[in-house]
Amino acid sequence: GAVVSQHPSWVICKSGTSVKIECRSLDFQATTMFWYRQFPKQSLMLMATSNEGSKATYEQGVEKDKFLINHASLTLSTLTVTSAHPEDSSFYICSAISGARYGYTFGSGTRLTVV
Amino acid sequence: QQQVKQSPQSLIVQKGGISIINCAYENTAFDYFPWYQQFPGKGPALLIAIRPDVSEKKEGRFTISFNKSAKQFSLHIMDSQPGDSATYFCAALGGATNKLIFGTGTLLAVQP
Repeated sequence: GAVVSQHPSWVICKSGTSVKIECRSLDFQATTMFWYRQFPKQSLMLMATSNEGSKATYEQGVEKDKFLINHASLTLSTLTVTSAHPEDSSFYICSAISGARYGYTFGSGTRLTVV
Repeated sequence: QQQVKQSPQSLIVQKGGISIINCAYENTAFDYFPWYQQFPGKGPALLIAIRPDVSEKKEGRFTISFNKSAKQFSLHIMDSQPGDSATYFCAALGGATNKLIFGTGTLLAVQP
């Protein structure tokens, strides 16, 4: 089956630094990747949608300059949290589809803690 | 109109019992309704999904019941086991967008 690998699974960083999270589709080409943010005991909140080779589309209220998304190839998308602050601490999850719009596969998530 | 309402927020079921989680939607353009299971610290995993052209889909102990006229769908977990303890999310997809719309989640605890 389709597998999406997300790395790292957890990261602790100091306030003001930047953190990069990678999302890779291991056995399929991901035409579209999605990035979500999840707070404890809450649902997944879509942050942005990225298509290979084009700029990401951000959801309303998501700061595009703070959450930089790059989808440079059909198997890799990255989310960079720039100048991270404690309020950015959250669980970040990516997902990918291979063209068939119903074929969503989720990564295992990244726990970001900003101290 | 893009919301998917999910209930209950939490559920406690005895081992061997039936767990039932309900969802409702407004957008009639939705044409795909998946359920996801999420364990703590992990991403969601697809459990079972249904299209609106059928009223029920069963996979093992998991069944989706779909009521198109009421715009409601539900997940039934038969013979619930402690290993089923997780958070369950319903979702919907359709129309002009390929964005999954998630419900608010149900925390299920199956007591041994």
